[in-house]
Amino acid sequence: RKEVEQDPGPFNVPEGATVAFNCTYSNSASQSFFWYRQDCRKEPKLLMSVYSSGNEDGRFTAQLNRASQYISLLIRDSKLSDSATYLCVVTTGGTSYGKLTFGQGTILTVHP
Amino acid sequence: GAVVSQHPSRVICKSGTSVKIECRSLDFQATTMFWYRQFPKQSLMLMATSNEGSKATYEQGVEKDKFLINHASLTLSTLTVTSAHPEDSSFYICSARDLRTSGTDTQYFGPGTRLTVL
Repeated sequence: RKEVEQDPGPFNVPEGATVAFNCTYSNSASQSFFWYRQDCRKEPKLLMSVYSSGNEDGRFTAQLNRASQYISLLIRDSKLSDSATYLCVVTTGGTSYGKLTFGQGTILTVHP
Repeated sequence: GAVVSQHPSRVICKSGTSVKIECRSLDFQATTMFWYRQFPKQSLMLMATSNEGSKATYEQGVEKDKFLINHASLTLSTLTVTSAHPEDSSFYICSARDLRTSGTDTQYFGPGTRLTVL
């Protein structure tokens, strides 16, 4: 089983749509959780951290459910510029402190 | 702030040659740098963790004699792919952890180096 699993998509949505991505992780000791965005042939860029209390940044809302080991990302009012691959990322502490484990990514295409 | 550069951005080489990739933190000191590899349509896979002044820690399945890592200063880490073969063709990305935020998981990524081995 992969440490971090995501639905690879692709998700094709029209502008203005709301889209949700899910992610599960296998290591219950995982400590930090993130969503990264990666554009084609570019490096990943941090979109937002994810907290159990849920957090929102403009049109983006992230949620963490530790009991279910599940992370979500909701994008409201999708823009063309949101088209990218969204990577679910977790870290574990101990000897793996600071090691980021990436999911395979979910591809989003927003069309006019 | 927190800019990481990589050089070269793209390299094409013949099979059997060695290729060196540099990763620099431009405006901060990095206690730890990480090297990742990404094959087409796959996610980033951590290859090794590099700490300044000490030997790198390699992930399982990554050959340390093939992928030589040197972290000689707090702003520079290099990855040398020795005797490169076509299967080594990939997108190599480094990241760096800022010394000032070393108690967090924040990493800053370089723009990546696309290696093509003919």
